[in-house]
Amino acid sequence: DIQLTQSPSFLSASVGDRVTITCRASQGISSFLAWYQQKPGKAPKLLISDASTLQSGVPSRFSGSGSGAEFTLTISSLQPEDFAIYYCQQLNTYPLTFGGGTKVDVK
Amino acid sequence: QVQVVQSGAEVKKPGASVKISCKASGYTFSSYGISWVRQAPGQGLEWMGWIYVYNGNTNYAQKLQGRVTMTTDTATSTAYMELRNLRSDDTAVYYCARKRRGVIPSDYWGQGTLVTVSS
Repeated sequence: DIQLTQSPSFLSASVGDRVTITCRASQGISSFLAWYQQKPGKAPKLLISDASTLQSGVPSRFSGSGSGAEFTLTISSLQPEDFAIYYCQQLNTYPLTFGGGTKVDVK
Repeated sequence: QVQVVQSGAEVKKPGASVKISCKASGYTFSSYGISWVRQAPGQGLEWMGWIYVYNGNTNYAQKLQGRVTMTTDTATSTAYMELRNLRSDDTAVYYCARKRRGVIPSDYWGQGTLVTVSS
């Protein structure tokens, strides 16, 4: 199975901060990586597909980059509604594994 | 608009089975698949498997093989996930989500179904 390691696991930040989350795959997955946001008690919400394609309706402060085995999710200016847990998922190979998550909390 | 609505919470005893439904609307059901993902309390997301509605082909997580069955009913645009021989560590919120075949991620998710396994 392909392992996805997210770092950091926890991140304290303030509104307006630039935030970067990394997702490393145990082997190359081309660009077949998605990012999700999850808020308490809610289902995950798809933010980015194919490593860098922003989903319709997702604010442009979110961006994704990377290919191969290293990927990043960047929030250019953190907003109050962005405090949540973020997960990466690889879609290159079954099983379609998730990263362990990064919780973005209020500083 | 696309909607995915799951059945309600369940409480089961160890060794029992649970079958969760996932009703889709607003799109051509047979053109997509359905992924199932679960989340234990306070934990991360765990991919359980995927079923392609068009032909019923499935791909299950190895750790669940033999205990899980995913099916669909195209007449009612409903997907089902049955998990047998429940254990306490199966206690989780179970999500279904629409997913195309291939390297496309799940885009529309159900609201989640809490399954509690307790004696």
